[in-house]
Amino acid sequence: DADVTQTPRNRITKTGKRIMLECSQTKGHDRMYWYRQDPGLGLRLIYYSFDVKDINKGEISDGYSVSRQAQAKFSLSLESAIPNQTALYFCATSDLDRTGYTFGSGTRLTVV
Amino acid sequence: GNSVTQMEGPVTLSEEAFLTINCTYTATGYPSLFWYVQYPGEGLQLLLKATKADDKGSNKGFEATYRKETTSFHLEKGSVQVSDSAVYFCALSDQTNAGKSTFGDGTTLTVKP
Repeated sequence: DADVTQTPRNRITKTGKRIMLECSQTKGHDRMYWYRQDPGLGLRLIYYSFDVKDINKGEISDGYSVSRQAQAKFSLSLESAIPNQTALYFCATSDLDRTGYTFGSGTRLTVV
Repeated sequence: GNSVTQMEGPVTLSEEAFLTINCTYTATGYPSLFWYVQYPGEGLQLLLKATKADDKGSNKGFEATYRKETTSFHLEKGSVQVSDSAVYFCALSDQTNAGKSTFGDGTTLTVKP
């Protein structure tokens, strides 16, 4: 099994719908992150969490919310999806700042 | 704040050519430096890292040396293969940014047979 598992892998949804992307990890890491990747824009941080009770906004949190249900689970929700939220979404985990991130395989979300 | 600037792509090379992808950084602290690779349809994978000045990270034939004097961490490989075709991201992490990583925009490498 993958260290960081994202579900679903692909999703097409309609404008205005609520959608949840899920992430679970077996690394035992406290730190978890959600990024989106758009062509030509690299990776942009949406939210991050350093433990179950610590949730922080990233650079592009508007229109998104998160839930850290347990050390191993970190979900990203789009409350009312819009087309410009069409992107590739990645979950990542880390231990300490000097060890690097472990990424999931990504969720490709299309909002029509 | 922290920033990472990568060489713009795309980069196209023939098999067995020498690869350099430039990366320079700005950081207020003493960062750790990383290279990640993203193969088509996959997530990013940590390729190599260096945690202090003059350290050399290496993996799968790729190398990068942490140069504090030039604030650089250039990725090199002596002989690329078609299977090295991917997007490469340079990143840094330090305590001044609460341990969060800052990523470059990525450089797309295509290796032709």
